[in-house]
Amino acid sequence: DAGVTQSPTHLIKTRGQQVTLRCSPISGHKSVSWYQQVLGQGPQFIFQYYEKEERGRGNFPDRFSARQFPNYSSELNVNALLLGDSALYLCASSGGYGGGNQPQHFGDGTRLSIL
Amino acid sequence: SQQGEEDPQALSIQEGENATMNCSYKTSINNLQWYRQNSGRGLVHLILIRSNEREKHSGRLRVTLDTSKKSSSLLITASRAADTASYFCAIHGSGNTGKLIFGQGTTLQVKP
Repeated sequence: DAGVTQSPTHLIKTRGQQVTLRCSPISGHKSVSWYQQVLGQGPQFIFQYYEKEERGRGNFPDRFSARQFPNYSSELNVNALLLGDSALYLCASSGGYGGGNQPQHFGDGTRLSIL
Repeated sequence: SQQGEEDPQALSIQEGENATMNCSYKTSINNLQWYRQNSGRGLVHLILIRSNEREKHSGRLRVTLDTSKKSSSLLITASRAADTASYFCAIHGSGNTGKLIFGQGTTLQVKP
């Protein structure tokens, strides 16, 4: 079975641009979460979506937004990119009711570099 | 902050030795999870331990949880070079979101 897939794998943008990252969860998983991982640190929670509704939001500015589609895939959008947005963006899906009692399955991430 | 804090930050051992990593946190939890991350890759789930559990095993992995001390440990026995990776603990706190709060991680190097 396919795992969590993310695209693109790498992306280079300049300050002020906008970016869209995509994620396909494991088949049957209805919960998708997004994390930002800066080099040398642990992942930080950005958003969770369950059944196309926002379930949780981390401490990120409004430049960050996301949505989940009827097939449970998800997009993360970041506007007005800053140098500090350079990071590995990870998507994770989980089964159950998305309440955190199931393990999360991560994709390999999108490496975003801001010049 | 609910953030898990891990100790040590880095660990270097010989193949065949055991590796122990510790995680401390500051608030009540529903469960605590351990993940492994190979360089440049996503995280791989290792073990989930619920707040009412004290110990769990999975193959060469043993996780303990002490909620009175707000701490957990991950033991990898008979380590292999392939165990070289970063290991993270993640806290799932209260509420019905799937939000995990990760520590800074322990970088483990296993020398052949």
